[in-house]
Amino acid sequence: DGGITQSPKYLFRKEGQNVTLSCEQNLNHDAMYWYRQDPGQGLRLIYYSQIVNDFQKGDIAEGYSVSREKKESFPLTVTSAQKNPTAFYLCASSPGTSGTNEQFFGPGTRLTVL
Amino acid sequence: QKEVEQDPGPLSVPEGAIVSLNCTYSNSAFQYFMWYRQYSRKGPELLMYTYSSGNKEDGRFTAQVDKSSKYISLFIRDSQPSDSATYLCAPGNQGAQKLVFGQGTRLTINP
Repeated sequence: DGGITQSPKYLFRKEGQNVTLSCEQNLNHDAMYWYRQDPGQGLRLIYYSQIVNDFQKGDIAEGYSVSREKKESFPLTVTSAQKNPTAFYLCASSPGTSGTNEQFFGPGTRLTVL
Repeated sequence: QKEVEQDPGPLSVPEGAIVSLNCTYSNSAFQYFMWYRQYSRKGPELLMYTYSSGNKEDGRFTAQVDKSSKYISLFIRDSQPSDSATYLCAPGNQGAQKLVFGQGTRLTINP
């Protein structure tokens, strides 16, 4: 059963802590993306990766970090430098340059800073 | 000016009505256009995907693109309460391998 999984579904963090959000896909997609969604707003791109061991900053990368050591995995770390981290985080993947451009999304992680 | 503008609504219509959702964009390099549907507290799901100007129909849904006006629309016929969701337009271009999302329009279909 192919798809994208994100964990945890809900995450609570104290101010000053780093947290890592997991994203895994078994679609054999080359490209993966992280977005942030705030209430009543669209999706804003944090980071994206088109191939393993390479990634690029999106529009709002400050306070976030990523890694892409495996094709299937693209974890996002929300650091203490992110001033307003409470949001809904969405991971997506797409076939990338080897295929079509549709992005497929995971179920999301809701992060709340206490 | 934002690259993609979308009326956030909310939009509320009776069941069975025809719904029109719209976006405008400023980047003439956009080559393909997607519509996503997002239910509350869920990830977006791809609804429609089109490359060219004109209409593309899929069941009760029709996507329309006018590249000359930089205007994209999604029409929903015979709307159902299950269509209640936020609809996001997302144009993109081949080179950038990125999508630019509109703000999303929150739609409610009333039984």
